[in-house]
Amino acid sequence: GAVVSQHPSWVICKSGTSVKIECRSLDFQATTMFWYRQFPKQSLMLMATSNEGSKATYEQGVEKDKFLINHASLTLSTLTVTSAHPEDSSFYICSAPDIRSYEQYFGPGTRLTVT
Amino acid sequence: KQEVTQIPAALSVPEGENLVLNCSFTDSAIYNLQWFRQDPGKGLTSLLLIQSSQREQTSGRLNASLDKSSGRSTLYIAASQPGDSATYLCAVREGSGGGADGLTFGKGTHLIIQP
Repeated sequence: GAVVSQHPSWVICKSGTSVKIECRSLDFQATTMFWYRQFPKQSLMLMATSNEGSKATYEQGVEKDKFLINHASLTLSTLTVTSAHPEDSSFYICSAPDIRSYEQYFGPGTRLTVT
Repeated sequence: KQEVTQIPAALSVPEGENLVLNCSFTDSAIYNLQWFRQDPGKGLTSLLLIQSSQREQTSGRLNASLDKSSGRSTLYIAASQPGDSATYLCAVREGSGGGADGLTFGKGTHLIIQP
C-alpha cells in the first residue's frame, strides 16, 4: 500500500513555543491531507483538512490561528502548533487519500509533549 | 453529525478463540468503512476497507461485514493469536467519494489475547 511519513515522531517543547510537524506522501500525490488528534485512551478526532493550493478547512472547535496548516505541495502538508500549552500535548496523526483508490493511508503519528 | 460506536470497549479472550468486534454508525449515508489496528503508542494499520456497495471483505483470518442500512459493521477474527492484541478502530467516511472527506472514528475495542 501507499506510504505516509511524519516527522518528527516525537517532540518535547516548552510552553509558549511553536512546533512544526510534517506529513509526507512518499509514493503518491495527495491534493488533500487530513490532520487528526488523539488524546490518551481516546479515539482520533479530525482537526482539519489540508488542501493543496488553498486554505485548510477546520473542524468545529479547532482554532485555526493556533493550528496553522500549510499544504506546500502535492506530497507535503505541515501542521504548526503555535504558542503551545500543556493541554496541546497529544498524539497527532495525518492521513492522505490515494486519489487512485481513495483509501486513506495514515502516518505513524507524532507524540507532542508540552512542558 | 455522524457518531461511531464500538462494542465492547475491551475484550480479553484465550488464544485460539474466534471473536467478533462490533461497530455501529448513526448516519447510513457513508462512502466506505475501514477497520484499523493500532498498537500502543503507534499509528494506524489499515486492515480492511469496505465500500458502501459491498457487504463484506476478507483478508486472511479477518472478515469484515457491512450492513449499511442498519448502520452496522462487524469484524470477525478467526483463531485469535497473542499477536492480535491491539486496539481495533472502526471509521466511516461520508461524502460522495471525491477524496475531501475525513474519517469519523469510534473509540475502539481494546483486545487482549491471552497465551
